[in-house]
Amino acid sequence: DTEVTQTPKHLVMGMTNKKSLKCEQHMGHRAMYWYKQKAKKPPELMFVYSYEKLSINESVPSRFSPECPNSSLLNLHLHALQPEDSALYLCASSQDPADEKLFFGSGTQLSVL
Amino acid sequence: GENVEQHPSTLSVQEGDSAVIKCTYSDSASNYFPWYKQELGKRPQLIIDIRSNVGEKKDQRIAVTLNKTAKHFSLHITETQPEDSAVYFCAASYGTGFQKLVFGTGTRLLVSP
Repeated sequence: DTEVTQTPKHLVMGMTNKKSLKCEQHMGHRAMYWYKQKAKKPPELMFVYSYEKLSINESVPSRFSPECPNSSLLNLHLHALQPEDSALYLCASSQDPADEKLFFGSGTQLSVL
Repeated sequence: GENVEQHPSTLSVQEGDSAVIKCTYSDSASNYFPWYKQELGKRPQLIIDIRSNVGEKKDQRIAVTLNKTAKHFSLHITETQPEDSAVYFCAASYGTGFQKLVFGTGTRLLVSP
């Protein structure tokens, strides 16, 4: 299995809702990432998990809460989002934190109303 | 931190022509330069990458060149086909211990039959 799988593919939520994005990989990769991509813009790094521990938080607002339950799973919990948070949220993995070769999932297209 | 500039923002070519996309980076310590192809609504896919100890790398119709002195690298696509139409992002790595990627702003390539 050489894929990073993300669910759901699309999500619409209100500003008072709580939702979660899920990401899974079975390549044995020990680094996992969350990126945010606005329309017609490049991906921007949000979080990096290394060996299931949060290693990098790129000054992301606390309404985004990442979680890594095990080496194969990565979640992003969403609460009290703003309309400007609408974007494509991409999960990625690499063999280890020093390996720059990223494998991206297909993303979750999030719309905040 | 690292800054990556990418040009042009859009590129239209006829099928069979060559296409060249150029990127410059700011951090001389960067040592890994991947190129990603992203079709509309799909995941970024790594198409080719190059490390700083190599000046050129080819993979069939795709090649990447790197000039470390000038801090720029380019993607060359020969014999373009309509299925090459997509957004292409260059990126450069930075950081110690944890490698991060900074992406260029993207080039929308349109190959007309």
